[in-house]
Amino acid sequence: EAGVAQSPRYKIIEKRQSVAFWCNPISGHATLYWYQQILGQGPKLLIQFQNNGVVDDSQLPKDRFSAERLKGVDSTLKIQPAKLEDSAVYLCASSLVLPSEYQETQYFGPGTRLLVL
Amino acid sequence: SQQGEEDPQALSIQEGENATMNCSYKTSINNLQWYRQNSGRGLVHLILIRSNEREKHSGRLRVTLDTSKKSSSLLITASRAADTASYFCATRMDSSYKLIFGSGTRLLVRP
Repeated sequence: EAGVAQSPRYKIIEKRQSVAFWCNPISGHATLYWYQQILGQGPKLLIQFQNNGVVDDSQLPKDRFSAERLKGVDSTLKIQPAKLEDSAVYLCASSLVLPSEYQETQYFGPGTRLLVL
Repeated sequence: SQQGEEDPQALSIQEGENATMNCSYKTSINNLQWYRQNSGRGLVHLILIRSNEREKHSGRLRVTLDTSKKSSSLLITASRAADTASYFCATRMDSSYKLIFGSGTRLLVRP
């Protein structure tokens, strides 16, 4: 079974530039998550989709971050404009169903490491 | 804000020894999960324990949950060099779907 795919793996940009990350979840997984992981910390949820609808985006800095999940499959996360403090690893994860069901395991992609100079 | 906090922040042991990591959290939970992260395999789910469970085993892993103390522990028995990684606890509250991760314990297993 193919895992969660993410691209690019690494990105270096200057502050105030824009950047976009792409995620392809495991086939059949209805729920998709984007996390931000700053060095030395645990992942922090940015946004959660159920199919193509947003379940939770309470910690997404909406003035600069946006995310979409077209057709309930692939997803893109965009930062515009980037700040120095956005340097982090951006992780995408997917799960079969919403966590209210029995199966709650989240499967993570390899992440995109972003460096903002 | 962090819901789960791991202790210790870093742990170094000899191969074959047991490793114990602790996680404390602040509010009532639906379940608590442990994840492992290393450079080779990214973030991987290890085990889930529900609020009405007290102990769970999976291979060399043993997880306990004490809801009265709002704490959990992860025990890795007979550690191997390949267990070297960061270990995170993540909690889900009844009122929310989201997982909140702690800051992790960095485990080094020396060969």
